[in-house]
Amino acid sequence: DAKTTQPPSMDCAEGRAANLPCNHSTISGNEYVYWYRQIHSQGPQYIIHGLKNNETNEMASLIITEDRKSSTLILPHATLRDTAVYYCIVRVASGTYKYIFGTGTRLKVLA
Amino acid sequence: GAVVSQHPSWVICKSGTSVKIECRSLDFQATTMFWYRQFPKQSLMLMATSNEGSKATYEQGVEKDKFLINHASLTLSTLTVTSAHPEDSSFYICSAYVGGTEAFFGQGTRLTVV
Repeated sequence: DAKTTQPPSMDCAEGRAANLPCNHSTISGNEYVYWYRQIHSQGPQYIIHGLKNNETNEMASLIITEDRKSSTLILPHATLRDTAVYYCIVRVASGTYKYIFGTGTRLKVLA
Repeated sequence: GAVVSQHPSWVICKSGTSVKIECRSLDFQATTMFWYRQFPKQSLMLMATSNEGSKATYEQGVEKDKFLINHASLTLSTLTVTSAHPEDSSFYICSAYVGGTEAFFGQGTRLTVV
């Protein structure tokens, strides 16, 4: 079973920041938080991942709470092309590295 | 990022026939690949873990005799749907990871069984 909980859907105005929350209250100390997104009828696209520190790359920022029980993906300036399903996944740092997908959040960016 | 390519992108087959889907890592070697299936408006469901040179590991409830997985080289894994039926119509996606960091996904294969 997936170890994450996300709201099923969110809307965001174009140009505004999109903040997507994820709950992973049972996360273990050696598990990373990964974010992927899936645009309709395509394979998932990697966005960002982190262990305990906040992370930022050219696509997004990842904020992980101090207790690591939740995180927020931030798209700083959402565009229409960011409309997709966003998946938050926890994954062990070693072993088979398999991902168990939850239901994700369907983000719709509105013009 | 690394590229994972699937072929074909879509396929239509008759009920009772078999269909093979290829998953290739184009610019890296992947000792492990994963196969997922996705029904409309649902999330990805992990089917099996494909290991180069050994038998695949199937998730609970996935029929290994129906979904044959072969990982004959470090850059190629194949999924064969045997004796396909309309209920096997789905979006099949593979992934592979590089050096223990993030996994990269193929573009998916849409299978329609008529």
